[in-house]
Amino acid sequence: AQKVTQAQTEISVVEKEDVTLDCVYETRDTTYYLFWYKQPPSGELVFLIRRNSFDEQNEISGRYSWNFQKSTSSFNFTITASQVVDSAVYFCALSEWKGAQKLVFGQGTRLTINP
Amino acid sequence: GAVVSQHPSRVICKSGTSVKIECRSLDFQATTMFWYRQFPKKSLMLMATSNEGSKATYEQGVEKDKFLINHASLTLSTLTVTSAHPEDSSFYICSASVLAGTYEQYFGPGTRLTVT
Repeated sequence: AQKVTQAQTEISVVEKEDVTLDCVYETRDTTYYLFWYKQPPSGELVFLIRRNSFDEQNEISGRYSWNFQKSTSSFNFTITASQVVDSAVYFCALSEWKGAQKLVFGQGTRLTINP
Repeated sequence: GAVVSQHPSRVICKSGTSVKIECRSLDFQATTMFWYRQFPKKSLMLMATSNEGSKATYEQGVEKDKFLINHASLTLSTLTVTSAHPEDSSFYICSASVLAGTYEQYFGPGTRLTVT
């Protein structure tokens, strides 16, 4: 069975600090997808990234970066120079590779960026 | 990017009544749509997988007679909460998967249901 664990329930930092959100996953599949979503107070899920299990290269998009380590089954997310607008709940998720597959979500990490 | 809409965005209903939530893919066809439920400050849990033209597949513990899912076309799936009770109050989110290729999923904005 697939499982995603986000051990950090809540994180609070001061603006401009860097912050890393941890994600550890379990799956028996050799190929799969990993995701990160942002959920602001409005509730709508905002897609951040989808990474396939073949590609272990780290990815950077502006202030966001992701570190995928297949050896430790982790897919961590770092926000550099955090801003108040980054405050939200962040979910890590996992899906199978083939076809249209359901997402298994982690518990979420509530990130608060204080001015 | 692809757009998925949900209607209504918010609904308040009385206990014992039924509520229908629509999920539409606006600019693409979706053979498969998923329905998730999210309790306050909790994660999203899959309720069911909806396939166009066939019966939905429900996750363990989800009552199929209570949460009726219909996927009559490639752009519309509906979730009907029958005989709603206060414990059904939740945030319901759908997602739609592109027909082929990368099967990317796009999420709707969610529907907040409150049963009084």
